[in-house]
Amino acid sequence: GQQVMQIPQYQHVQEGEDFTTYCNSSTTLSNIQWYKQRPGGHPVFLIQLVKSGEVKKQKRLTFQFGEAKKNSSLHITATQTTDVGTYFCAPQAGNTPLVFGKGTRLSVIA
Amino acid sequence: GAGVSQSPSNKVTEKGKDVELRCDPISGHTALYWYRQSLGQGLEFLIYFQGNSAPDKSGLPSDRFSAERTGGSVSTLTIQRTQQEDSAVYLCASTFRHGNEKLFFGSGTQLSVL
Repeated sequence: GQQVMQIPQYQHVQEGEDFTTYCNSSTTLSNIQWYKQRPGGHPVFLIQLVKSGEVKKQKRLTFQFGEAKKNSSLHITATQTTDVGTYFCAPQAGNTPLVFGKGTRLSVIA
Repeated sequence: GAGVSQSPSNKVTEKGKDVELRCDPISGHTALYWYRQSLGQGLEFLIYFQGNSAPDKSGLPSDRFSAERTGGSVSTLTIQRTQQEDSAVYLCASTFRHGNEKLFFGSGTQLSVL
């Protein structure tokens, strides 16, 4: 079955520093989604990547899909305290249930 | 409704009791998912429904867990003979159709088994 690894598990940064989380799959993906879960909240959709090598930006967030469609990354430039939360990737291969990575918990120190 | 609604928001039960958790998806959404999230952990897939198709139950951890979806809308997740390790947040999500669509999550049911 599909194996998903998300790293790092935790990341503590000073406000203003950059942050990156990576999602790696053992199989070629049809698409990948990213979600953010604030402390005490529920996951909220951020973006979906479909094309090989795709790069999408949302303000300070940059999402990339690898050329082989097996890995993806989320990069946050100049983190702010509002970025605190857990970021989950949700890769999908064909008509399979949406399975989430274990997430990267981001703490931002003001 | 405006969003995915789950009830109850909190449930405390005694070991061995049965519990039912309810999910009202967004109107018009044909796909519905159940996930479980233990404290500080990721989301564990349990089951999903797509329209009138047979549900994918591949994530259910034991035969104590079951779910149904009546009339293609409301879903109920039932846990029989609850155990302490069942304590977690149970999240429901819906989407227009399975595959390539973003999920809208409810606020979850916090289940505590004493």
